[in-house]
Amino acid sequence: AQKITQTQPGMFVQEKEAVTLDCTYDTSDPSYGLFWYKQPSSGEMIFLIYQGSYDQQNATEGRYSLNFQKARKSANLVISASQLGDSAMYFCAMREDTGGFKTIFGAGTRLFVKA
Amino acid sequence: ETGVTQTPRHLVMGMTNKKSLKCEQHLGHNAMYWYKQSAKKPLELMFVYNFKEQTENNSVPSRFSPECPNSSHLFLHLHTLQPEDSALYLCASSQEYTGSYNEQFFGPGTRLTVL
Repeated sequence: AQKITQTQPGMFVQEKEAVTLDCTYDTSDPSYGLFWYKQPSSGEMIFLIYQGSYDQQNATEGRYSLNFQKARKSANLVISASQLGDSAMYFCAMREDTGGFKTIFGAGTRLFVKA
Repeated sequence: ETGVTQTPRHLVMGMTNKKSLKCEQHLGHNAMYWYKQSAKKPLELMFVYNFKEQTENNSVPSRFSPECPNSSHLFLHLHTLQPEDSALYLCASSQEYTGSYNEQFFGPGTRLTVL
């Protein structure tokens, strides 16, 4: 069954430093997609980055990169050079090719960036 | 208007009231979603519509009734709700095609309080 686990309820990082947010997943489907979303206090979920299960290289989008370790079923988000505006909730999510339109989300990690 | 809009942003209703949440997407997408986000719980998928056809109903109580008159508009009709239905209701849209990649674009949400 699909499952997403985010074990860090809250994280602190100093401004301009890098931070890694953990995500592990469970699926029996060989084809799936992994996503990270950011949710500021305003409530709107913002798509950050995507990794396909067959992608050979780790995805990168600006300051965001996804550390994809398929054998360990982990998809950690790395934010480089943290900014105060990065303070938000971060959600890892997964969709299986055979799962229809269902995307499941982890419980989230709240990131606090300190000045 | 751009992206995904939701109205109202905030709603307070009694358990005997009938109200509706509205979502509109201006992205030309073919799929629309309703999610419920409760405190300390992962985001829960409620309904999915693809080309106006409902493709997912995630065991949602009948007091929530979705309506999708066209691919740009999605409603969630509410009646005889319970206090535990108080949550942030998020609408999202995506462009569906073969393969797992389906970045979802979210609206700002409706914060619902049931008294």
